[in-house]
Amino acid sequence: KQEVTQIPAALSVPEGENLVLNCSFTDSAIYNLQWFRQDPGKGLTSLLLIQSSQREQTSGRLNASLDKSSGRSTLYIAASQPGDSATYLCAAVYGGATNKLIFGTGTLLAVQP
Amino acid sequence: GAVVSQHPSWVICKSGTSVKIECRSLDFQATTMFWYRQFPKQSLMLMATSNEGSKATYEQGVEKDKFLINHASLTLSTLTVTSAHPEDSSFYICSARDWAGRNEQFFGPGTRLTVL
Repeated sequence: KQEVTQIPAALSVPEGENLVLNCSFTDSAIYNLQWFRQDPGKGLTSLLLIQSSQREQTSGRLNASLDKSSGRSTLYIAASQPGDSATYLCAAVYGGATNKLIFGTGTLLAVQP
Repeated sequence: GAVVSQHPSWVICKSGTSVKIECRSLDFQATTMFWYRQFPKQSLMLMATSNEGSKATYEQGVEKDKFLINHASLTLSTLTVTSAHPEDSSFYICSARDWAGRNEQFFGPGTRLTVL
């Protein structure tokens, strides 16, 4: 069964701290992996997409890595800000034709000013 | 970037009525759209895959007669919750796949359904 797990479930850090969110997937035959941000009561905002052939992607203060062999991805947030507070979801994409996203359980991040 | 809209953004209805939710890709054509539901403090669960011009593919445990999906054009998919009950109250989110570039899914803002 294809499952995606995120650790920790919740995280609270002071402003300015660097932090790492973890994502694990059971089936390493992924097509790509995406990281999303979700604010309360809102839809999803795509942050980064890593193709299966890539090892990392960067956008501003965000860096996502992918290690297919170990079934892991990490999202690194540098110099965190209160505006980064949200739920972060990773999703593994399987099967090029069906393109199904299997979502992780999410990490609720609170950045304290 | 690719934009996906949903309408309505929230709806309150009485038990037993039907509710239709629209998902539109505004600046690209989407042969495939996906419908998810999300309960409070939980992650997104895929309900069905909607293919333009053909029947939707439902995930295990999702009643196709209760959640009717129509994907009549390359920019519009609709989800109709028939005979809604309070347990159907949830956050429904659609996504549309853009085959160009990185074969990426783009998500709508979601629809909050409350069934009284």
